Amino acid sequence: EPEVTQTPSHQVTQMGQEVILRCVPISNHLYFYWYRQILGQKVEFLVSFYNNEISEKSEIFDDQFSVERPDGSNFTLKIRSTKLEDSAMYFCASTLPRGEQFFGPGTRLTVL
Amino acid sequence: KNEVEQSPQNLTAQEGEFITINCSYSVGISALHWLQQHPGGGIVSLFMLSSGKKKHGRLIATINIQEKHSSLHITASHPRDSAVYICAVFSLEYGNKLVFGAGTILRVKS
Repeated sequence: EPEVTQTPSHQVTQMGQEVILRCVPISNHLYFYWYRQILGQKVEFLVSFYNNEISEKSEIFDDQFSVERPDGSNFTLKIRSTKLEDSAMYFCASTLPRGEQFFGPGTRLTVL
Repeated sequence: KNEVEQSPQNLTAQEGEFITINCSYSVGISALHWLQQHPGGGIVSLFMLSSGKKKHGRLIATINIQEKHSSLHITASHPRDSAVYICAVFSLEYGNKLVFGAGTILRVKS
């Protein structure tokens, strides 16, 4: 069964460093999403991506964040200068139009 | 303001019990998702529905569009059902994104 994969599973970084979180969506899916979940809180939408551009972003997704689909298979989330409050679980998801969302296993980001 | 409300927040049940988790939302939606999150953190989609009822094994999900309410039922609950159950809605009023409830923490004791 096809699945969404994410790497790394856990990333530890120093405040101010750049991190890139990677996702491989399901191959025939067209919409891609990043969500985050701060420990003990609910899942929050960050950004959606369709047809090689951002289609929607939340107020969390400021200039420190960017997304890219560099090669037609990977979908990346970059945080340019991490802050302590960026520590969270980051989930990637993909879907067909109007379809069920398939989530990756998540990357736990810890900013020290 | 919580656009998606779930109840109860916490639920402890004995193995074999019938369980109901509720979800209410405030806007017109195109789809409602029930998700399961295990202690390791991964999220699995259980159902996506826009009307009526869906069943998969011991899980049943219903939705009442007019009342803006959905329920997830688990029959013959088992300790392996212990997880966080999350309701999320997709609405054009929220843009192209899911809006999530806070989740219901379910613990099933043997």
